[in-house]
Amino acid sequence: DGGITQSPKYLFRKEGQNVTLSCEQNLNHDAMYWYRQDPGQGLRLIYYSQIVNDFQKGDIAEGYSVSREKKESFPLTVTSAQKNPTAFYLCASRRTGPNSPLHFGNGTRLTVT
Amino acid sequence: AQTVTQSQPEMSVQEAETVTLSCTYDTSENNYYLFWYKQPPSRQMILVIRQEAYKQQNATENRFSVNFQKAAKSFSLKISDSQLGDTAMYFCAFMFSGDSGNTPLVFGKGTRLSVIA
Repeated sequence: DGGITQSPKYLFRKEGQNVTLSCEQNLNHDAMYWYRQDPGQGLRLIYYSQIVNDFQKGDIAEGYSVSREKKESFPLTVTSAQKNPTAFYLCASRRTGPNSPLHFGNGTRLTVT
Repeated sequence: AQTVTQSQPEMSVQEAETVTLSCTYDTSENNYYLFWYKQPPSRQMILVIRQEAYKQQNATENRFSVNFQKAAKSFSLKISDSQLGDTAMYFCAFMFSGDSGNTPLVFGKGTRLSVIA
């Protein structure tokens, strides 16, 4: 079955360490997105990519970095510059076209202590 | 920039009753899409319903329907015959149609709905 895989489900890191969250899709979707979810804040856009080797900053890109070397993969790195990295991170993808729905992964819960 | 406002942080409804979740948005665009997503305790995001702004007819999906008022920039979700499985966080989202069709969705802060037996 096609879908989006985020791994791991839970991730723990020490403050000051960079950490990379994985997102892989086998839906042949062109566009991929990273959202951050905090209690009472809804989903906020971190980065998105519409095609391979191209990506744009979202509303809260500071302290994060991404790459899109392959269509299937859109990893997110949470750097030590991110002041409050503990959150639930959701990856999503969609095929080209405004009428195509957004497909979500199951998310990664990152805890930094 | 577009914004989406959900004014009800939490709501509750008795099983089998009807509940309406509110959503308003702010945009200067004329062509866009609106969505309601459901996030149950599993935290998996599930598309509930979507509405194209150019369509006057309100979208329906089984027990879920919307009241889309374009002039008022309002997009409420009505859940009929509420079931325990409807207990979830509900997010309203806006998407500008754009040129590429891949513009990101803008989400509201969510409404936590509890269905009570």
